[in-house]
Amino acid sequence: EVQLEESGGGLAQPGGSLRLSCAASGFTFSNYNINWLRQAPGKGLEWVSHISRSGTTKLYGDSVKGRFTISRDDAKKSVYLQMNSLRDEDTAVYYCARSSSTYYYADDFWGQGTLVTVSS
Amino acid sequence: EIVLTQSPGTLSLSPGERATLSCRASQSVTSNYLAWYQQKPGQAPRLLIYGVSSRATGIPDRFSGSGSGTDFTLTISRLEPEDFAVYYCQQYDASHRTFGQGTKVEIK
Repeated sequence: EVQLEESGGGLAQPGGSLRLSCAASGFTFSNYNINWLRQAPGKGLEWVSHISRSGTTKLYGDSVKGRFTISRDDAKKSVYLQMNSLRDEDTAVYYCARSSSTYYYADDFWGQGTLVTVSS
Repeated sequence: EIVLTQSPGTLSLSPGERATLSCRASQSVTSNYLAWYQQKPGQAPRLLIYGVSSRATGIPDRFSGSGSGTDFTLTISRLEPEDFAVYYCQQYDASHRTFGQGTKVEIK
């Protein structure tokens, strides 16, 4: 069974940091790109970051560029999102999702999400 | 960055009716990299359609996607009770992914 499980969310102060993790199981992790996406309370979906299956290509949305860093550890079947200089507007449920050429790089499976709250 | 605009914002229909959702892009979408997702309250989004018109695994054939260039449509031929949800279109190019703002399909 394909599973993606996010963890690491919680309460952080403005200017603070959090590190999210996405643990994968049930599929060949090294064959997939991984994306982080988020959804602010009552709002729509926003793409945050992408890491290619090789780890060589890393992309970021404009709203997080320079503050967030994505990485992966294929041995642990995990992807990480280091979030620094957090702002109130980073408050959201953060999802990780996999993508591959099989589905034209759409996000074909999502985790259940982890809530990040940035507040003083 | 490609901006996606979905219409209408809310669609009020009865079970059994046909739903037609629109997604318009600010510029042509690369290589048909256009997808549709369904999201129900408290749940993660689920992929319905990829590559403009291909159904994802396990998606019923009452869901269909069409379009090209800048205009795309998701059609639900006959609404089932479990189809009332929010639907998002998404495009993905070499450097960005963007979503439309969503269309809520609600029970009339």
